[in-house]
Amino acid sequence: QSALTQPASVSGSPGQSITISCTGTSSDVGGYNYVSWYQQHPGKAPKLMIYEVSNRPSGVPDRFSGSKSGNTASLTISGLQAEDEADYYCSSYASSSTLRVFGGGTKLTVL
Amino acid sequence: EVQLVESGGGLVQPGGSLRLSCAVSGFTFSEYYMDWVRQAPGKGLEWVGRNRNKANSYSTDYAASVKGRFTISRDDSQNSLYLQMNSLKTEDTAVYYCARGGNYYYGRMDVWGQGTTVTVSS
Repeated sequence: QSALTQPASVSGSPGQSITISCTGTSSDVGGYNYVSWYQQHPGKAPKLMIYEVSNRPSGVPDRFSGSKSGNTASLTISGLQAEDEADYYCSSYASSSTLRVFGGGTKLTVL
Repeated sequence: EVQLVESGGGLVQPGGSLRLSCAVSGFTFSEYYMDWVRQAPGKGLEWVGRNRNKANSYSTDYAASVKGRFTISRDDSQNSLYLQMNSLKTEDTAVYYCARGGNYYYGRMDVWGQGTTVTVSS
C-alpha cells in the first residue's frame, strides 16, 4: 500500500484538461513544499514533470502545472495530447525514516 | 548530456546477494545526492535509499523496507554509484533505477537511468 493516495485512472479527450490528485498527510504532502510529479510511459524510466509543488523543469510543456492545498497535491494537464497517455506518480518528502514516498500511480488515458 | 546507466541485474536465489552499479556522466558526480528507486512488476515506484554528496560526507538514508539489508555507496573516481543487496527476498524482485537526487537535502530526482532488472526466485 502506497503512502500517498492517487486515483487509479483518469481519462480525457484531446484538447481537454484533467487533474490528478495526490493525498497524503501532514507528515509528507502537507508538511513540505517538496512534491514532485513523474510521467512514465510503458517500459520507460520515469521523467520529472513537476518539482517543489509547481515548478517545471526545462523542456516540460507549460500545459503541465502543479498545485497543493493542505494534504493534497494536484497535477493538471491542459490541452491533452495523445503523447500524454502514461502513468503519473506523485512523490513527497516525509518526516519518517523513509524520506521519499510515492503515490500508487494514475493511468491517464487519452480517449 | 547527463546520463545514468545501471547494470548488474539478474536472477538470484532468495537469501542471496547482488550488487548493482550506476555509471554516470555529464555532471560533477560528487556534488550530487544519488537515489535508488525500484518498481516491482506491474506496481508503482518505491524509494530504496540514497547516498548524499561529498559536502554531506556521503552519508546514506534508507527506506525501512531495505534498511539493514541494502547498502548504497559510491566511487567518485569512477563516477559510479552502487547498491549492494543482501539477504534478498522474493519481494525485492523489481526494476531498479538510479536517479540524480539534487545537491541539497530536499533535492528532486531530475534524471533517471533506464533501469536494471532483479529477479529473486528459486
